[in-house]
Amino acid sequence: RKEVEQDPGPFNVPEGATVAFNCTYSNSASQSFFWYRQDCRKEPKLLMSVYSSGNEDGRFTAQLNRASQYISLLIRDSKLSDSATYLCVVNKSPSNTGKLIFGQGTTLQVKP
Amino acid sequence: EAGVTQFPSHSVIEKGQTVTLRCDPISGHDNLYWYRRVMGKEIKFLLHFVKESKQDESGMPNNRFLAERTGGTYSTLKVQPAELEDSGVYFCASSELAGYKEDTQYFGPGTRLTVL
Repeated sequence: RKEVEQDPGPFNVPEGATVAFNCTYSNSASQSFFWYRQDCRKEPKLLMSVYSSGNEDGRFTAQLNRASQYISLLIRDSKLSDSATYLCVVNKSPSNTGKLIFGQGTTLQVKP
Repeated sequence: EAGVTQFPSHSVIEKGQTVTLRCDPISGHDNLYWYRRVMGKEIKFLLHFVKESKQDESGMPNNRFLAERTGGTYSTLKVQPAELEDSGVYFCASSELAGYKEDTQYFGPGTRLTVL
């Protein structure tokens, strides 16, 4: 079983749609949680950290449920430029020092 | 400020040859990581340096892989001899040794390795 599981998609949505991605992690000792974005043939880039209280950055909202070991990302009012692969990432360190454990990624295609 | 840089961007070699990948972290970053993504799989951790010391090398697949970070600046990852299953994208990342502050790992553009 993979340590971080994501639905690979692809999710094909029209511009302006709201889309939600989920992931689950198996190790309850995980301490830090993130969503990274990866464009085709590029490096992963940090999109946002995820906290139990939930956090929002513009059109993006991330949520962590420690009891269910579940992480979500909601994108509102999708733009063409949101098309990318979204990687769910966890770390056992609370300060994010040390190895990151990646999910396989969920591909999003936003269509005009 | 310059980001993490990696060289080369692409490498095509034959099975049995040797390849050396280089990573230059963001200046002042003590933490340096190597990760790898093979076709169809998730990105996986290889190892972690703190300055010149190997903090965690639990992800190194076998003894054909050798990573060094002499002087605590740039790092090299040597594969010798290369096998077909070593093909993939090798990413380097760096972060500050931030203590109690939440740290961020910044990734380089990767080296795409193809072993024929």
